[in-house]
Amino acid sequence: GAGVSQSPSNKVTEKGKDVELRCDPISGHTALYWYRQSLGQGLEFLIYFQGNSAPDKSGLPSDRFSAERTGGSVSTLTIQRTQQEDSAVYLCASSQGVTGTYGYTFGSGTRLTVV
Amino acid sequence: GNSVTQMEGPVTLSEEAFLTINCTYTATGYPSLFWYVQYPGEGLQLLLKATKADDKGSNKGFEATYRKETTSFHLEKGSVQVSDSAVYFCALSRSGNTPLVFGKGTRLSVIA
Repeated sequence: GAGVSQSPSNKVTEKGKDVELRCDPISGHTALYWYRQSLGQGLEFLIYFQGNSAPDKSGLPSDRFSAERTGGSVSTLTIQRTQQEDSAVYLCASSQGVTGTYGYTFGSGTRLTVV
Repeated sequence: GNSVTQMEGPVTLSEEAFLTINCTYTATGYPSLFWYVQYPGEGLQLLLKATKADDKGSNKGFEATYRKETTSFHLEKGSVQVSDSAVYFCALSRSGNTPLVFGKGTRLSVIA
């Protein structure tokens, strides 16, 4: 597609429920990143995928968080047993090549509210 | 480790004022440096970048120069407009496809 697409744009869930957030990157972009943006905290790296390599999960805050990328394209971020501190905007980005040269293209994010 | 420090906001300026948002970094090697902008209700957009020392990135009237000696990448604009009101993020890339490291963002409000 023309840009990075994320869905849903807003999600309200009850504490303890599982949620799935979807990211559809730009076609042909080999690298895909998930970040979390909390008020006053900037952008926190969560996980990234590069081609067929094993993902870098070093930023995931707990084992309740997981992500997969199917067919080198669409990615799903899953949060199990959501907690109120998981409330944030979850941003997905993709890159066509070396980050230092191209930077990222970001989606508009999914605003998650856990009540 | 690698980190980015930005001046805290919010920054409030009158239209046509001069803007500087300070950004300093700590990194091993020679990172690439970026400024991203997030307009209200939107995702982050790449504003400008510089990939080596003394490079100047520029876009939409904004400029930033990669200063290795001071490990800085300050964002400047000579005359801001109301439409520049947004949150600005400084970021660095170490190498390859390693994730960008972002500062906490600086909120700019420009009043007419």
